[in-house]
Amino acid sequence: DIQLTQSPSSLSASVGDRVTITCRASQSISSYLNWFQQKPGKAPNLLIYAASSLHSGVPSRFSGSGSGTDFTLTISNLQPEDLATYYCQQSYNTPRTFGQGTKVEI
Amino acid sequence: QVQLVQSGAEVKKPGASVKVSCKASGYTFLSYGITWVRQAPGQGLEWLGRINTNNGNTQYAQKIQGRVTMTTDTSTNTASLDLRSLRSDDTAVYYCVRDWSGEIFDWWGHGTLVTVSS
Repeated sequence: DIQLTQSPSSLSASVGDRVTITCRASQSISSYLNWFQQKPGKAPNLLIYAASSLHSGVPSRFSGSGSGTDFTLTISNLQPEDLATYYCQQSYNTPRTFGQGTKVEI
Repeated sequence: QVQLVQSGAEVKKPGASVKVSCKASGYTFLSYGITWVRQAPGQGLEWLGRINTNNGNTQYAQKIQGRVTMTTDTSTNTASLDLRSLRSDDTAVYYCVRDWSGEIFDWWGHGTLVTVSS
């Protein structure tokens, strides 16, 4: 199974900050990497697919980059509603796997 | 708009079975697959498997292989997850997810809490 390791596990930032979350895969996954946001008590929501494509309706302050084994989710101009846990997920092969999550506190 | 409405919370004893349903609306059911993901309390996300709504082909996570069956009813646009021989570590919120080719999980149900306790 492909292991995804996110860093950091948690972070605290201020409104207006630029936040970067990284996701490292245990083997190359090309660009088959997606990012999700999960707010407390809610189902996850897709933010980014195929490493860098913004899902419909997602604010443009969210962006993704990377390929191979190293990926990044960036939130520019952090907003109070961005309080959430963020997960990366690979769709390169099965079983699909998720990172352990990064909790963003504001 | 797209909706995935899941069945209600369940409490089961160890060894029992549970069936979670997921009724889809607002899109063409056969154009997307259904993936199932679970989340144990305070934990991360775990992929359970996927069903192709066109042909019924399934892929299951090895961890639950042999205890799980995923099905669809295309007459009612409903997907179902059957999990047997429940154990305490099956306690989780179970999500159905609309997927594109099994790769992109773009719409999630609200989740169904399954509690396994004696």
